Amino acid sequence: SYVLTQPPSVSVAPGQTARITCGGDNFGSKSVHWYQQKPGQAPLLVVYDDSDRPSGIPERFSGSNSGNTATLTISRVGAGDEADYYCQVWDGNSEHYVFGTGTKVTVL
Amino acid sequence: QVQLVQSGAEVKKPGASVKVSCKASGYTFSTYGISWVRQAPGQGLDWMGYISVYNGNTKYAQKVQGRVSMSTDTSTNTAYMELRSLRSDDTAVYYCARVRMVRGVPNWFDPWGQGTLVTVSS
Repeated sequence: SYVLTQPPSVSVAPGQTARITCGGDNFGSKSVHWYQQKPGQAPLLVVYDDSDRPSGIPERFSGSNSGNTATLTISRVGAGDEADYYCQVWDGNSEHYVFGTGTKVTVL
Repeated sequence: QVQLVQSGAEVKKPGASVKVSCKASGYTFSTYGISWVRQAPGQGLDWMGYISVYNGNTKYAQKVQGRVSMSTDTSTNTAYMELRSLRSDDTAVYYCARVRMVRGVPNWFDPWGQGTLVTVSS
């Protein structure tokens, strides 16, 4: 089955940039979506279609997808960005959704 | 505003069934799909399946295939997920999410319901 690999954790100082990677095969043919989940809350869409932002999501959140790696970038990180982040794709071959393993972002 | 409101927490015994509801408002129900995702305590997101509200087509994850059924009621804009033969490892928070379709292909989830805790314990 299709697998998406994320680093378990990323630590970043306030005001700096956090980069979260998501690795998978043949990413170029798939659209990658990213979700933020804070403790006790439902996930929230922060980037869709590799690099688009839903309304209400700050410009500090951006995404890219190249080769076999997608990246979520959070600029000027603040305490409010501490959360788990998950990537997601629709695998057209199996007609299944796949979530990444999740990355915990800690603000130092 | 667009929102999905789920039914309340459930406690079930092993072998029983549970049916969780997800009531949609603020958009045309039939023009989106609904997916169900669960999250065991301290674990990541686990996709369970998807239903097209438009034609009722479903896709289920292999892990729950044979034990899960997803349905919708367009008269009340409500989606349902039933899981049968419950086991202790089915204990989780269950989420519904609206699925955006792009050229007939399911895409991102937005928004999500608030989640329903299902506890399976003897």
